[in-house]
Amino acid sequence: RKEVEQDPGPFNVPEGATVAFNCTYSNSASQSFFWYRQDCRKEPKLLMSVYSSGNEDGRFTAQLNRASQYISLLIRDSKLSDSATYLCVVPFGGGGSYIPTFGRGTSLIVHP
Amino acid sequence: DAGVIQSPRHEVTEMGQEVTLRCKPISGHNSLFWYRQTMMRGLELLIYFNNNVPIDDSGMPEDRFSAKMPNASFSTLKIQPSEPRDSAVYFCASSLAGTGLYEQYFGPGTRLTVT
Repeated sequence: RKEVEQDPGPFNVPEGATVAFNCTYSNSASQSFFWYRQDCRKEPKLLMSVYSSGNEDGRFTAQLNRASQYISLLIRDSKLSDSATYLCVVPFGGGGSYIPTFGRGTSLIVHP
Repeated sequence: DAGVIQSPRHEVTEMGQEVTLRCKPISGHNSLFWYRQTMMRGLELLIYFNNNVPIDDSGMPEDRFSAKMPNASFSTLKIQPSEPRDSAVYFCASSLAGTGLYEQYFGPGTRLTVT
């Protein structure tokens, strides 16, 4: 069974705070996972890919924990513009053919 | 470069009418996905094409929904007849599929309202 679980939030944090989200998943053999960002009434946009070694891009760090079956997203020094919903994506399948499954998303609100 | 293009952006129709949503993927991408997003159910994958061939349509709700991809640059999602519960935002996404990698690029979506 394909399951991707996220805490819906909202996470309400002040500017400059560090915030972390987790995304748990059922069995997946994929080598890569993804975080997307979705602004209100807009389409999801790719934020970061997550590989076994993790990934860092400026204030954003994504990590994969295969043993515990979760991926995480850490945002440092939060900005007002970081306010959005963050969706994790877990590909399920195998043999070179994977079907992406989205979590329901975690809402982040960064306030002054 | 042009991203994924969807039309129409908004569609309001009456129950029982046929609705056709259109998508032009990013040139060179070989995978295309149709999603539906609602507050209740989140983002759901409806159908996925690879090289114009439907690979997985297990997410298509019922026979009222059909999707085609006649060539690499065009796809349609049709609902006939439409019902109020079909009201949602429908997204099309494309990607260049490699082994285990699916970095998808989404279109702006079609907001469908069925009255």
